[in-house]
Amino acid sequence: AQTVTQSQPEMSVQEAETVTLSCTYDTSESNYYLFWYKQPPSRQMILVIRQEAYKQQNATENRFSVNFQKAAKSFSLKISDSQLGDTAMYFCAFMRRSEKLVFGKGTKLTVNP
Amino acid sequence: EAQVTQNPRYLITVTGKKLTVTCSQNMNHEYMSWYRQDPGLGLRQIYYSMNVEVTDKGDVPEGYKVSRKEKRNFPLILESPSPNQTSLYFCASSPDGHVQLFFGSGTQLSVL
Repeated sequence: AQTVTQSQPEMSVQEAETVTLSCTYDTSESNYYLFWYKQPPSRQMILVIRQEAYKQQNATENRFSVNFQKAAKSFSLKISDSQLGDTAMYFCAFMRRSEKLVFGKGTKLTVNP
Repeated sequence: EAQVTQNPRYLITVTGKKLTVTCSQNMNHEYMSWYRQDPGLGLRQIYYSMNVEVTDKGDVPEGYKVSRKEKRNFPLILESPSPNQTSLYFCASSPDGHVQLFFGSGTQLSVL
């Protein structure tokens, strides 16, 4: 079974600084998808970024970027120029084609003014 | 507006009283799924449906039922709720199951 591990239950960062959230996963598959979801206090699940395993290039969305290391099965999220609105739970997730999305336990990120 | 609509957002009930949480999507998505979120455990899948003809169990299906009679709706049914089903529930949909999931706003359920 696929597993997703987020080793940092909580993190904090100063506004405008950069922070990296870690995620590792375990699979024997070669084709799969990886996601980072953000859950602010409103509880809404918001897709931050998506990576397809067959793509070598790391995905980027504005201030959010990933470091995808397929051989190491690592998928970290970097948030640049952190903003107060980035305060949220962040979930890493893994999906094989047409199968369920498997989530990590989450990292609570606090951005301090 | 494209969205997944869950109702109710909050629900307090008592042990054994049957309840249904509704989920509807207006994006013509084939794939729908239910998750529960518990502190320290992340989100765990309860049931999923690849299309109106295929529904299957996720990781934690015990105590739950689902129905997919039409593409847009995927209700979650608790026939006899118990306190261990107190949780935050999310419905989600996607076009085919491997692109991003679109989530509803969540239903906070408390079973007393």
